[in-house]
This record gives sequence, C-alpha cells and structure tokens, in this order.
Amino acid sequence: DTGVSQDPRHKITKRGQNVTFRCDPISEHNRLYWYRQTLGQGPEFLTYFQNEAQLEKSRLLSDRFSAERPKGSFSTLEIQRTEQGDSAMYLCASSLGTGVGNTEAFFGQGTRLTVV
Amino acid sequence: KQEVTQIPAALSVPEGENLVLNCSFTDSAIYNLQWFRQDPGKGLTSLLLIQSSQREQTSGRLNASLDKSSGRSTLYIAASQPGDSATYLCAAGEGPYKYIFGTGTRLKVLA
Repeated sequence: DTGVSQDPRHKITKRGQNVTFRCDPISEHNRLYWYRQTLGQGPEFLTYFQNEAQLEKSRLLSDRFSAERPKGSFSTLEIQRTEQGDSAMYLCASSLGTGVGNTEAFFGQGTRLTVV
Repeated sequence: KQEVTQIPAALSVPEGENLVLNCSFTDSAIYNLQWFRQDPGKGLTSLLLIQSSQREQTSGRLNASLDKSSGRSTLYIAASQPGDSATYLCAAGEGPYKYIFGTGTRLKVLA
C-alpha cells in the first residue's frame, strides 16, 4: 500500500455539471476525511467517516455535496450543479482511530477542480 | 471556535540556517497537533504528530514542541536545505478526528 490515492488528479468542468471524486485510503485505516483547500488557505474540514458511517459534516458541505463510503473502504465525493465557487483542491485523508485516540492523518495528492 | 494562526506567513533564509516556525491556537483543549509540509500544487505530507499529553516530537532535522497551556507549537528545522522549501501547515486536532488548519508558512531556503 503506497498511501492515500485520489482520482482524478485534475478535473475541469462546466458550471452546472456534476462531478465525482474518488479516494482510496490506506487499507487498514478506519477513519476517512474530506477537506477542501482554496489558494493561499489551509485545508477546511468537510466531512468524516468512521468505517462506513458518516459521523460529521461541515456547514461548508451544502446540499449539493454528498459523500459516501460504502463498506468502509473507498469513498466518493459528488458535487451536483457545480458553481465557480466550488473550484478548489479537494483533499482526502485517512487515519487509524482507536477509541478516543488517533494516529497520524495521511493525505492524498488531492483532486484539483476547476469550474469554468 | 478553534482558530489556528501561523507566523510568519512567509520566510526566506540562506541555506544552513536553523529556523523556527510558529503556530498558535485559541482553544487549548486539543487532542493533538500535527505538522505538515505541502509542495506547490500537491497534497500534504505528514511531518510530526504530537499527542496532547506530549511536549515534543523529533524526526531527523525536525523538532516540534507543544505547549497547550499557552496555545503554542513550534517547528524547529535544523541546518535548512533548499529541498526544505515548501509551505508548512500546522493543524490542531479538535476532537479525535477533525483538524483545524492554519494558513501556513511559505518557506524558501536559498542555495
């Protein structure tokens, strides 16, 4: 296992189209996160899965956004009816959570979305 | 609401210098603090994780300290090299799974 994998690396889409991104976490990691990063800013938390359960969603995640993690393995993030303000780098991370503890979070290379 | 601030926003140093990057957070009730490196257009690479019960962590030329009571963490880079040029981000663990990030320090090490 070489780390967290995200696909695609780059996506250009027209405003109003739907897009879907995929994240494959490190295989033994039960926790998976999505973050969004705009230019010059730090990543902002979007949502978190423990196994297949989505346990928290940020207010940044409008109803146009949906994330899934079927069977607690890979995750998808879908954006419907994209807007220019959705242009950003979408980062996925995973970690091994044990009770209230947490090991290091490992991030993927991100998917850069450009909405034109 | 947790806020994380990193100072300076940008730093340019000659090769070989030792340097300190600062991170402050407003809520001391953090689970952990993690330092990352980000190269332009790339994802984040984990550098060091400090659990809330720890005071520091070291890896090679990097040393990170944590002072929860004062809401501060520092990343010390010894003998800087041009390959260290990147943006360095700190992230405060809010709860066991959510990180609040600073906006980063852009470091340039000149050969």
